[in-house]
Amino acid sequence: KAGVTQTPRYLIKTRGQQVTLSCSPISGHRSVSWYQQTPGQGLQFLFEYFSETQRNKGNFPGRFSGRQFSNSRSEMNVSTLELGDSALYLCASSLDVGPSTDTQYFGPGTRLTVL
Amino acid sequence: KNEVEQSPQNLTAQEGEFITINCSYSVGISALHWLQQHPGGGIVSLFMLSSGKKKHGRLIATINIQEKHSSLHITASHPRDSAVYICAVQIYRDDKIIFGKGTRLHILP
Repeated sequence: KAGVTQTPRYLIKTRGQQVTLSCSPISGHRSVSWYQQTPGQGLQFLFEYFSETQRNKGNFPGRFSGRQFSNSRSEMNVSTLELGDSALYLCASSLDVGPSTDTQYFGPGTRLTVL
Repeated sequence: KNEVEQSPQNLTAQEGEFITINCSYSVGISALHWLQQHPGGGIVSLFMLSSGKKKHGRLIATINIQEKHSSLHITASHPRDSAVYICAVQIYRDDKIIFGKGTRLHILP
């Protein structure tokens, strides 16, 4: 089975722009979670989606949003980019409802640089 | 104070040594995860624990729910074990997941 894929792998944007990141989970997996990793804050939870519904959300401003499609693929969007949004954005998929019940498989991440 | 604390932050050891990384947390949890992150960013989920002990190859993870503490042990360490090891907990009350800051492990040949 192919692993979790994320596109693009690298992205450079300028302040004020918006960005959309994509995640394709392992075939058959229905849960997708998104995380942000920065040198200062480490890993932080963004959202979790299951069967097209946002099941949980971390403590991020409304500029961060996401969605999941019927084929379980997920996208996250960041609007009005700020310098502090520069980070590695990781997506993880699991077979069922999420991290507390099932092992997560991580994608390689999208490295976003905001200039 | 962080809700998930890991120690040590950095660890350098010789090949073959027995390694212990600790994780303490202050919230009620439904599960605890140990993750491994190699240079370049890729993360691998090593263990998911809600009680007791799990073993996979040279890796052993234990959790003591009453003491809110977990340990990750590596036996017969090898340079390829060099990575950042991250502890993460799933909070019982709202199901959110929070992470420790990680332990950077360097095994010298």
